[in-house]
Amino acid sequence: AQKITQTQPGMFVQEKEAVTLDCTYDTSDPSYGLFWYKQPSSGEMIFLIYQGSYDQQNATEGRYSLNFQKARKSANLVISASQLGDSAMYFCAMNGGGFKTIFGAGTRLFVKA
Amino acid sequence: KAGVTQTPRYLIKTRGQQVTLSCSPISGHRSVSWYQQTPGQGLQFLFEYFSETQRNKGNFPGRFSGRQFSNSRSEMNVSTLELGDSALYLCASSLASGADTNYGYTFGSGTRLTVV
Repeated sequence: AQKITQTQPGMFVQEKEAVTLDCTYDTSDPSYGLFWYKQPSSGEMIFLIYQGSYDQQNATEGRYSLNFQKARKSANLVISASQLGDSAMYFCAMNGGGFKTIFGAGTRLFVKA
Repeated sequence: KAGVTQTPRYLIKTRGQQVTLSCSPISGHRSVSWYQQTPGQGLQFLFEYFSETQRNKGNFPGRFSGRQFSNSRSEMNVSTLELGDSALYLCASSLASGADTNYGYTFGSGTRLTVV
């Protein structure tokens, strides 16, 4: 069975510093995709970044990068130069066979001024 | 372009009633997935539809059902509502289905259902 684990319920980071949000996963599918989503207090889920299981390079999207370590089954999100607007819940997610995407429990990030 | 539209935004129902939630995906998106979000359980997968076919269903009782129309719009129905069904119901659309969804989902704003 597929599983996503986010072990950090909450994280604090100082504005303009970098922060890493942890995500580990478990799947027996040879092909899968890993995603990160942001959910501000408004409630809407926002897609941030995607990493395919066969991608050789780590994905990057602006200030977001995904540290993909396939052997360790980890897909950590790195946010560089944190901004106050980055305060939100962050969810790691995975899809593979079975036509569904599963989500982790989420990490709440607080950015301090 | 228009985003994913979910209606209604808020709903209050009484135990035992039934409810229908609607989701209109982004134009051209053929996959629609539904999730239940609660503080205790996080995002739980309900079902996924692609071209009017249900491809997968989560571990929810049969009171939860859904369907997708030929224009890709989707509805989910919950019958015999229970207090524990109170949640934010999120709809997500994507171009493709399964492991091809490398563009990620586009989510709607959700329907906040309160069962009293």
